[in-house]
Amino acid sequence: DIVMTQSPDSLAVSLGERATINCKSSQSVLYSSNNKNYLAWYQQKPGQPPKLLIYWASTRESGVPDRFSGSGSGTDFTLTISSLQAEDVAVYYCQQYYSTPPISFGPGTKVEIK
Amino acid sequence: DVHLVESGGGLVQPGGSLRLSCAASGFTFSDYEMNWVRQTPGKGVEWLSYISYSGSTTYYADSVKGRFTISRDNAKDSLFLQMNNLRAEDTAVYYCARDRPVPGIHRPFYFDSWGQGTLVTVSS
Repeated sequence: DIVMTQSPDSLAVSLGERATINCKSSQSVLYSSNNKNYLAWYQQKPGQPPKLLIYWASTRESGVPDRFSGSGSGTDFTLTISSLQAEDVAVYYCQQYYSTPPISFGPGTKVEIK
Repeated sequence: DVHLVESGGGLVQPGGSLRLSCAASGFTFSDYEMNWVRQTPGKGVEWLSYISYSGSTTYYADSVKGRFTISRDNAKDSLFLQMNNLRAEDTAVYYCARDRPVPGIHRPFYFDSWGQGTLVTVSS
């Protein structure tokens, strides 16, 4: 099974500043046949379910602000919030869907305002 | 608007059973594969089970295999999770989650809609 790790566990960023979250998979999630990375990112605000932000490592879900971007390939991925807004305070999870079942999620990164 | 509403959670004793339901609306339920996912403060977000459009293909996490059964009723736009032999470690918020379709491939991918969740507490 693929194990997902994230860093840092939490980070505090000033409003308008950049937030960067890292995600690492225990094996590559890049399918060579279609050159796609089978990785998604979710945002979870308190008391709410996770919300899909990004899939195929870098494709934003419809309606997601363009300050959110995903990058990386193979085993190392990054979610970037280019200019942190107050409404972005949440826990962010990465998830692989390369080798399923099982689906596996990262442990989450909590983003707060400094 | 896509709407998924879970129900059936509650307090149950170890060894007991519960049946969770997920009512879907706002989309053609039979066109989507579905999943159950749970979340605990300690173990984070854990995928549990997947079911294909027709229900002919199902998958389970090792942690629930043999104890939980996923099913669906496309005529009633409903998803179910029968949970037997419950353990304290099954205490969690349980979500139903809609899978983003990938033509021709029947396995879980990523989840574009989630319900609000139902809390299951296993305790004596």
